[in-house]
Amino acid sequence: GAGVSQTPSNKVTEKGKYVELRCDPISGHTALYWYRQSLGQGPEFLIYFQGTGAADDSGLPNDRFFAVRPEGSVSTLKIQRTERGDSAVYLCASSARGRGNTGELFFGEGSRLTVL
Amino acid sequence: GENVEQHPSTLSVQEGDSAVIKCTYSDSASNYFPWYKQELGKRPQLIIDIRSNVGEKKDQRIAVTLNKTAKHFSLHITETQPEDSAVYFCAASTGNQFYFGTGTSLTVIP
Repeated sequence: GAGVSQTPSNKVTEKGKYVELRCDPISGHTALYWYRQSLGQGPEFLIYFQGTGAADDSGLPNDRFFAVRPEGSVSTLKIQRTERGDSAVYLCASSARGRGNTGELFFGEGSRLTVL
Repeated sequence: GENVEQHPSTLSVQEGDSAVIKCTYSDSASNYFPWYKQELGKRPQLIIDIRSNVGEKKDQRIAVTLNKTAKHFSLHITETQPEDSAVYFCAASTGNQFYFGTGTSLTVIP
């Protein structure tokens, strides 16, 4: 696609519910990142995929958070038993990898999650 | 892991004046330093970047400087305009993860 696409743009859920957030990266980008951004803060690293595998998941806050990228393209961030503290904007970004790439991250518009 | 600190958190300047935002990083393995601009409710967008083999880079009114020894880098915006008003984030990367600063909210007063 033309850019990184994220759905839903807004999600309101109740405490304890399960949530899935989807990211469709730029076609051909092998690297995909998930970040969480709270109001007035910078993007906080969650997880990074290179192809289908999670190259680094050290930013996931706890085992309620999980992400997959089964075919090396679309990724889903899954949050179980949501808590009010999970409320934030979840940003996805993709990057071309390989020789000569700039390493530039291209961000989606984000999914705003509100846990009541 | 990497720790990126950014100052100031807010900055107001008169139109036409210069703005400077500073960042420090902790991991000497970091070799790529991008700056992103985020307008309210929008996605962050890259405005300029610098690699560790370069000390300075300029693109029209925007410049970035890097001091590897001191582990700090700065964004300089000259002749500021109202449309420069936004939140600016610095980041440091080793080539895999990107770690972001906490952001600087820049307001350019007409």
